[in-house]
Amino acid sequence: GQQVMQIPQYQHVQEGEDFTTYCNSSTTLSNIQWYKQRPGGHPVFLIQLVKSGEVKKQKRLTFQFGEAKKNSSLHITATQTTDVGTYFCAGGTSYGKLTFGQGTILTVHP
Amino acid sequence: DSGVTQTPKHLITATGQRVTLRCSPRSGDLSVYWYQQSLDQGLQFLIQYYNGEERAKGNILERFSAQQFPDLHSELNLSSLELGDSALYFCASSVGQGMAFFGQGTRLTVV
Repeated sequence: GQQVMQIPQYQHVQEGEDFTTYCNSSTTLSNIQWYKQRPGGHPVFLIQLVKSGEVKKQKRLTFQFGEAKKNSSLHITATQTTDVGTYFCAGGTSYGKLTFGQGTILTVHP
Repeated sequence: DSGVTQTPKHLITATGQRVTLRCSPRSGDLSVYWYQQSLDQGLQFLIQYYNGEERAKGNILERFSAQQFPDLHSELNLSSLELGDSALYFCASSVGQGMAFFGQGTRLTVV
């Protein structure tokens, strides 16, 4: 079945450093979605990418969808302590199934 | 507030028992997903329903079952519970392929 792999599993950064998490799917995706889960909370939708090669920005966050629609990345510039949490990618299929990666747990040291 | 309601929030039960988790999706959302999240783990996809019908199945154990009712609420039934079933169970809903909105989750503890 479809698998979505996400790396790294953990990332510790100093406040102000950049952070990137990568997502790879075993199959071509209809779309890729990114979610953030704060400690003790539930996943919250950040963004959806649909087009091959698409790049979207949200303030300090930059999201990319690969040309083959099988990989994606999330880059955070100049991390802040409010960025802590687990970042999940989720690969979407044409019939709506959402398969989540294992997530990257981000710790930001002040 | 995501608009997705899950009950109960917490559940403590003994091994071998059976429990039912309930999810009310956002108004208008036809898709309901169930995910299991163990401590510090990712979101394991269990099952998806769309407008009352099973749409996709993940690594859901045979001891687990789910359904979506005509009013679109969904229930996840977990039976013959084992210690390893202790986890956070999330329900999410969406419109088709769009963004998924997650409920607050049900924390199940099997003792």
